[in-house]
Amino acid sequence: QSVLTQPPSVSAAPGQKVTISCSGSSSNIGNNFVSWYQQLPGTAPKLLIYENNERPSEIPDRFSGSKSGTSTTLGITGLQTGDEADYYCGTWDSGLSTVVFGGGTKLTV
Amino acid sequence: EVQLVESGGGLVQPGRSLRLSCTGSGFTFGDYGMGWFRQAPGKGLEWVGFIRSKDFGGTTEYAASVKGRFTISRDDSKSVAYLQMNSLKTDDTGVYYCTRPRVFWWFDFWGQGTLVSVSS
Repeated sequence: QSVLTQPPSVSAAPGQKVTISCSGSSSNIGNNFVSWYQQLPGTAPKLLIYENNERPSEIPDRFSGSKSGTSTTLGITGLQTGDEADYYCGTWDSGLSTVVFGGGTKLTV
Repeated sequence: EVQLVESGGGLVQPGRSLRLSCTGSGFTFGDYGMGWFRQAPGKGLEWVGFIRSKDFGGTTEYAASVKGRFTISRDDSKSVAYLQMNSLKTDDTGVYYCTRPRVFWWFDFWGQGTLVSVSS
């Protein structure tokens, strides 16, 4: 049972847009920065979004992050088959004093 | 280019110990904290713990599931972080990833992972 809640799976057609939600509480998402990670099959996770909505320089602007209250959303536009992966949200939980992650969302394109 | 390379994984019996290493390159290792995650087969990512840089006291934090059994340490002269795992359980089986944590709890670089299998 993960502290952060993500849908197990989402799907959309190539070229379309998809959003992946991640919900938490005031002790984690509500008062701390959120990051998002992409894990392609058989590979290590890769940072997509940090500090809620910032992208590392190598990440295309098709990927975006937003936060509202105790929830955060990852958006991906112009979907490509190469975007098929598991996506995870993560943050610090001030009550638990631990890093917490969502259970992951499998994206099918 | 920043690189993190894990080593030391393998098959170990329940109750035994194992030490993983993470060697960093392409950055000033001692200036950064280092962290560990794990991923059980077919499951999501689970944070294991991290160690702060010496400038921030070199202190450690651990997930409740491993506290008291796992210890993270570092040798900045060798650019290596260690994960000492004692009293291993079958539930500790998985791929262990070394990461580089940043100030607000995001992880910008990850190693390729090393597989730990705990089984009799």
